[in-house]
Amino acid sequence: AQSVAQPEDQVNVAEGNPLTVKCTYSVSGNPYLFWYVQYPNRGLQFLLKYITGDNLVKGSYGFEAEFNKSQTSFHLKKPSALVSDSALYFCAVGPSRGYQKVTFGTGTKLQVIP
Amino acid sequence: GAVVSQHPSWVICKSGTSVKIECRSLDFQATTMFWYRQFPKQSLMLMATSNEGSKATYEQGVEKDKFLINHASLTLSTLTVTSAHPEDSSFYICSAGLGGRGRTDTQYFGPGTRLTVL
Repeated sequence: AQSVAQPEDQVNVAEGNPLTVKCTYSVSGNPYLFWYVQYPNRGLQFLLKYITGDNLVKGSYGFEAEFNKSQTSFHLKKPSALVSDSALYFCAVGPSRGYQKVTFGTGTKLQVIP
Repeated sequence: GAVVSQHPSWVICKSGTSVKIECRSLDFQATTMFWYRQFPKQSLMLMATSNEGSKATYEQGVEKDKFLINHASLTLSTLTVTSAHPEDSSFYICSAGLGGRGRTDTQYFGPGTRLTVL
């Protein structure tokens, strides 16, 4: 069975500082990995995904994520945090083959402090 | 591109009534749509996977007779909560996948529907 772990319930970072939101995964075979962001009382917005290719994936709003196969991690990063980045972030994993079901992590609340 | 809408955005109903939620892909055809339920401060719980023209696949523990899903076209899926009770109060979110049947790919989410059952 596939699974995702987001070890931090909340991450606090000062505006302008780099941010990292952690994610580790477990899946049979090669993974498809995703990051989504959710603002209060809204659905999820797609940020970026890793399917294959370069381990560093660039996405929306200046976010990027690094796929590390040996550590089974897919941490979300941004060089300089903005107050508007404050939101709930979800990591998700799916199999590269077969059924489309994607498993979401429990979410990490990012708080950017002015 | 890849916009998904949901209607209504919120609904309040009396216990015992049924509520229908619509999910539409506005600018693409979605072979597969997903329905999730999200409790406060928790992750998304997949309820069912809906493929156009066929019966939905429900996750373990989800009552298919209570949560009726219809995916009549490539742009519309509906979730009907039948005989709603207060414990059904939740945030329901749909998504549409671009990967096609049997392929994992990006899901695009609707804005969600807040259901409150009195």
